[in-house]
Amino acid sequence: KNEVEQSPQNLTAQEGEFITINCSYSVGISALHWLQQHPGGGIVSLFMLSSGKKKHGRLIATINIQEKHSSLHITASHPRDSAVYICAVSQGGSEKLVFGKGTKLTVNP
Amino acid sequence: DVKVTQSSRYLVKRTGEKVFLECVQDMDHENMFWYRQDPGLGLRLIYFSYDVKMKEKGDIPEGYSVSREKKERFSLILESASTNQTSMYLCASRMPPGVVGGGSYNEQFFGPGTRLTVL
Repeated sequence: KNEVEQSPQNLTAQEGEFITINCSYSVGISALHWLQQHPGGGIVSLFMLSSGKKKHGRLIATINIQEKHSSLHITASHPRDSAVYICAVSQGGSEKLVFGKGTKLTVNP
Repeated sequence: DVKVTQSSRYLVKRTGEKVFLECVQDMDHENMFWYRQDPGLGLRLIYFSYDVKMKEKGDIPEGYSVSREKKERFSLILESASTNQTSMYLCASRMPPGVVGGGSYNEQFFGPGTRLTVL
């Protein structure tokens, strides 16, 4: 079993829809990261969080430490949100990140 | 802004060739990482370096070596390329957690990736 599981693997939505991507993990963590990868490869960090909720524009990330679960929400989705969204966790004292396999999001106009 | 650059976006090599992938960061980060990314497998850590001349194996180091002679540069070396090393290679860098100015919680900054094809 992977230490970081994402669902769904693939997601297709219509422009304007509210989107949720889920991440569950089975290890103790110091922080959880949401990353975005556009076609072409480059990865950017969207959020790092260890508790509660963070918001940036139309993106919202939440984490429930007790349930070992995080969600990434996109409000009023747009075709430019089409990308692979990757969840990763860092464990206290470790230099490494443990990655989920990613969720491919396609938003159609 | 942090900038992480990789020497090539696309690379085609032949089986048995020695391949060098270069990564340079301009933010004086101590930690640098090499990952490969394959469909259905996600990102997997090959090697990382926590300081000049210091390196540590990641999850899949076989067939690879690394070099960190200068703080800003981290090279991935495929000693004898094989077809199963066809992949997307991503470099990342970061200040160690807890270092002043480095940011908390281990944010990593990624390069644009090198798509390597071994024929």
